Formats: sequence, structure tokens, C-alpha cells
Amino acid sequence: DAGVIQSPRHEVTEMGQEVTLRCKPISGHDYLFWYRQTMMRGLELLIYFNNNVPIDDSGMPEDRFSAKMPNASFSTLKIQPSEPRDSAVYFCASSLTGWTSFPDTQYFGPGTRLTVL
Amino acid sequence: AQSVAQPEDQVNVAEGNPLTVKCTYSVSGNPYLFWYVQYPNRGLQFLLKYITGDNLVKGSYGFEAEFNKSQTSFHLKKPSALVSDSALYFCAVRDGQLIFGTGTRLQVFP
Repeated sequence: DAGVIQSPRHEVTEMGQEVTLRCKPISGHDYLFWYRQTMMRGLELLIYFNNNVPIDDSGMPEDRFSAKMPNASFSTLKIQPSEPRDSAVYFCASSLTGWTSFPDTQYFGPGTRLTVL
Repeated sequence: AQSVAQPEDQVNVAEGNPLTVKCTYSVSGNPYLFWYVQYPNRGLQFLLKYITGDNLVKGSYGFEAEFNKSQTSFHLKKPSALVSDSALYFCAVRDGQLIFGTGTRLQVFP
């Protein structure tokens, strides 16, 4: 398996532009997570899905952020309009349901480094 | 709410020496604890987990962690550090989703 795939790996955009980050989870995994990592705030969970349904989006910073999972093999995280403070590394991760019915070990993608000028 | 704390921002150790990266937890009920490692410009990688059973958990790359209920700790250890172990290490607890600590940067000097 190729692991979790994210694209693009790097994105540089100007303030006010729309940004779309993409993620392909590991085949068969039923959980998908979006994280943001910055020096100031560390690793933050933005949203996660179970069987393509958003379960908890309380970490989404504001209405400019939206995430979708139209099918089991694809998810997007969109920022519109983007701002310089959105600059960060965005990670996607996936996992299987564990024996306690919660997600088990998470497998992370390589991340997308977003720079908003 | 479940949480973990990593009291050290950075740990420095000489190659060949044992290393310990500390983690304490605060949970209600049975804890499900994890360690992840992040190498530069990479995503996090799973190292090991404690769900139940033996207090000493063995994981990838020669790492192990000791679950101590009385001290509410889950410290990561390795008997002999390698320069290639230099990375950012995260402790995490599962509360539905994973709650990560702030991370500890491990620097192994040759």
C-alpha cells in the first residue's frame, strides 16, 4: 500500500485566494483526520470523518475552513479566503476502527506545507 | 477530559547512552496511550501503544515504553540511542480521537 497520499506537497498562494488540499487515505480505513501543525500551536486536530461522515469539526478554526469526504478514497480541506495566519503544515491521517469501536493507530501522510503571502 | 503532558521541550543524549522521553497522562477510566515520532519534513509515524496487559510495551526501532499507573506516566525509552533517533516525539491519549502532547525534541549527539 502506498500509504496516505496528500497533494500538493507544497502550496504558495496569496492572501484572499482559495486553497484546496487533497488526501487519499489508506484503502479500507474508515477514519480520516485533518491536522494542522505550527510552531506556535503544535499539532491541532481540525476535523475527522468516520465512514465519510464528519464526526467532530470543533477544531476547524472558522468558517473559512471547510472539509469534505465525498467517498471513502478522497477528502479535501478548503480554505476560502486564505490568510497569512493559515500558513502551516496540514496533515491527513487515516485509521481503522479498533476493538473498542474507536479509531486505532493513525497513519499520517507526508503533509502539505502551505504558505500564504 | 483526557490529556497528556510532555514536560521537556528537548532532550539531549549522547549516542550509545540510554534515553528517556517523559509523558504523564490524565484520564478518567482506562488509558489508551500512544507514542508517535516525527522526522524532519515528514508526517507522524506510530511507534507503540498501550491498551492493556504488560506494563512494558515494545515498539518500532528498538523503542519501548513503560506504563506506570501509580505515577500516571508512560515514558518512552531506548537502551542505546542512535543519531538517527533524533526527531520530534509525541505522546498521545485516545479520547475518541487522539489527544497529542506538545512534543519533545530528541537530539542525539555523536
